Amino acid sequence: GAVVSQHPSWVICKSGTSVKIECRSLDFQATTMFWYRQFPKQSLMLMATSNEGSKATYEQGVEKDKFLINHASLTLSTLTVTSAHPEDSSFYICSAREQGVNYGYTFGSGTRLTVV
Amino acid sequence: AQSVTQPDIHITVSEGASLELRCNYSYGATPYLFWYVQSPGQGLQLLLKYFSGDTLVQGIKGFEAEFKRSQSSFNLRKPSVHWSDAAEYFCAVGLPEYGNKLVFGAGTILRVKS
Repeated sequence: GAVVSQHPSWVICKSGTSVKIECRSLDFQATTMFWYRQFPKQSLMLMATSNEGSKATYEQGVEKDKFLINHASLTLSTLTVTSAHPEDSSFYICSAREQGVNYGYTFGSGTRLTVV
Repeated sequence: AQSVTQPDIHITVSEGASLELRCNYSYGATPYLFWYVQSPGQGLQLLLKYFSGDTLVQGIKGFEAEFKRSQSSFNLRKPSVHWSDAAEYFCAVGLPEYGNKLVFGAGTILRVKS
């Protein structure tokens, strides 16, 4: 089946630094990828939709300058948390949408970001 | 606005007992519906999905779900729960008119007692 690889699985960074998270579709091409944020004991909140070769579409309230998304190829999307602060600490999950009539969404295993 | 409601935050069932997790949605068109399972600190695994056709959908791990348009529901069921089913379950609606985003319910945490 479809596999999405997300790296790193966890990262600790100092406040003020930037962190890049990668999301790769391993065995299919994903023209659309999605980035979610999940707070402890809460549901997934969609941050942005990443479209290959074009600018990402951010959800209301998400700072596009803080959460930079790049989708330069059909198999790779990256999320960069710039000038990270402790309040950015969270679990970030990516998802890639498969093509076809009965499309599905495959999720990465998530990245636990801790900003100290 | 589109929304997904999972009214039960926690559910506890005995191992071997049957399970039903409720999901109601609010969406104007025919929905694309999904159930996912998440273990702590992990991503989401697809259990099953509904797009059209037979309203009773079979998924992995012995799960099934039934789409009831009249009730705007897509409840997840399993006839006999195993201890390994303990996890958090999310219902989601796919929105093709809105860039194919998924809207998730709040999730239901399933506890299995032996």
